[in-house]
Amino acid sequence: DSGVTQTPKHLITATGQRVTLRCSPRSGDLSVYWYQQSLDQGLQFLIHYYNGEERAKGNILERFSAQQFPDLHSELNLSSLELGDSALYFCASNPELAGNNEQFFGPGTRLTVL
Amino acid sequence: AQSVSQHNHHVILSEAASLELGCNYSYGGTVNLFWYVQYPGQHLQLLLKYFSGDPLVKGIKGFEAEFIKSKFSFNLRKPSVQWSDTAEYFCAVTRYGGSQGNLIFGKGTKLSVKP
Repeated sequence: DSGVTQTPKHLITATGQRVTLRCSPRSGDLSVYWYQQSLDQGLQFLIHYYNGEERAKGNILERFSAQQFPDLHSELNLSSLELGDSALYFCASNPELAGNNEQFFGPGTRLTVL
Repeated sequence: AQSVSQHNHHVILSEAASLELGCNYSYGGTVNLFWYVQYPGQHLQLLLKYFSGDPLVKGIKGFEAEFIKSKFSFNLRKPSVQWSDTAEYFCAVTRYGGSQGNLIFGKGTKLSVKP
């Protein structure tokens, strides 16, 4: 158990819908990263938040957005869903801003878009 | 842009065989290097990491990796694999220092160990 929690574990929805994925980092970790794992693209970085502020964006679609709240949990919002958004979404946390530290991964949310 | 290449998509070994998984990265500056493992249906777990110092790094479960700066490589090794090592292995890098700590992953290598 990494100490990072994600809910829900599974999500099945239809095209065009909107969903919210939630991540609670390890106690004391200020950085939250979101990654998408799909069969064709592999593991890709989406977005990074540090202490409530967006710090970096990766291959994140405009239909996707995220935020980090004062209690440091984070939410990833996916809207106008398409079949191709079906993937495993992981969040990871670490205590620092930069990469000089291990990231601890949550169990992931498996999103299926029908 | 940084990228990570893992040479083998799928490796099949018998128990007790030795393992070496290749990983090369492209980035001109200083990097931190990681190997993560994903067991079937589970989340990513850190096997080992290299930030600086001795280029031969030992990790959990008998795994080790060697950083060869001149070859931009960070290959993962294990002298004798077990059936329980069946999993997918990901090499990843982050830029050393700076303000961006996101991991850049390779495509992964699936390891199947036959009992």
